[in-house]
Amino acid sequence: KAGVTQTPRYLIKTRGQQVTLSCSPISGHRSVSWYQQTPGQGLQFLFEYFSETQRNKGNFPGRFSGRQFSNSRSEMNVSTLELGDSALYLCASSPGTPSYEQYFGPGTRLTVT
Amino acid sequence: GDSVTQMEGPVTLSEEAFLTINCTYTATGYPSLFWYVQYPGEGLQLLLKATKADDKGSNKGFEATYRKETTSFHLEKGSVQVSDSAVYFCALSDLGGADGLTFGKGTHLIIQP
Repeated sequence: KAGVTQTPRYLIKTRGQQVTLSCSPISGHRSVSWYQQTPGQGLQFLFEYFSETQRNKGNFPGRFSGRQFSNSRSEMNVSTLELGDSALYLCASSPGTPSYEQYFGPGTRLTVT
Repeated sequence: GDSVTQMEGPVTLSEEAFLTINCTYTATGYPSLFWYVQYPGEGLQLLLKATKADDKGSNKGFEATYRKETTSFHLEKGSVQVSDSAVYFCALSDLGGADGLTFGKGTHLIIQP
């Protein structure tokens, strides 16, 4: 089976812009979660989607949003970018509930200048 | 809330040495426990997991035992190789994954030939 894929792999944006990141889960996986990884804060949970519904959400401002499509592919959007949003954004897929093991993609490296 | 504590390192060992990376956790319920590994420039790979007390997860020579009485999930390997150099993350999933995975800060492992 193909693994989790994320596009783009690298992105450079300017403060105030918005960005959309994409994630394709492993075939048959219905749960997609997003995480932010930074040197200072480590790995932090953003949100999780299951069957096109946001089921869980971490402690991030409303500028961070996401959605899931009927084929389980997911996108996350960050509006009004800030310098502190520079991070590696990781997507993970899981067969069912998130308590099953999660399989991660390679990430999208976002740099905000 | 839930938390995971692990030594951050870097931990430097010689090839064929014995490895232990300590991980302790605080959780509300009865979490599932995981070890993930991240190689440079890549996403996270699931290394092993344990879903209940006294379970032992193992993979690629690595082992970890779920110790409820000491709230620990220490990672061990009998003989490390240069190719084991990476960052290792201990993580838990609690309350059916309602808050996603909670990660430790990661331990940077360096194996010298």
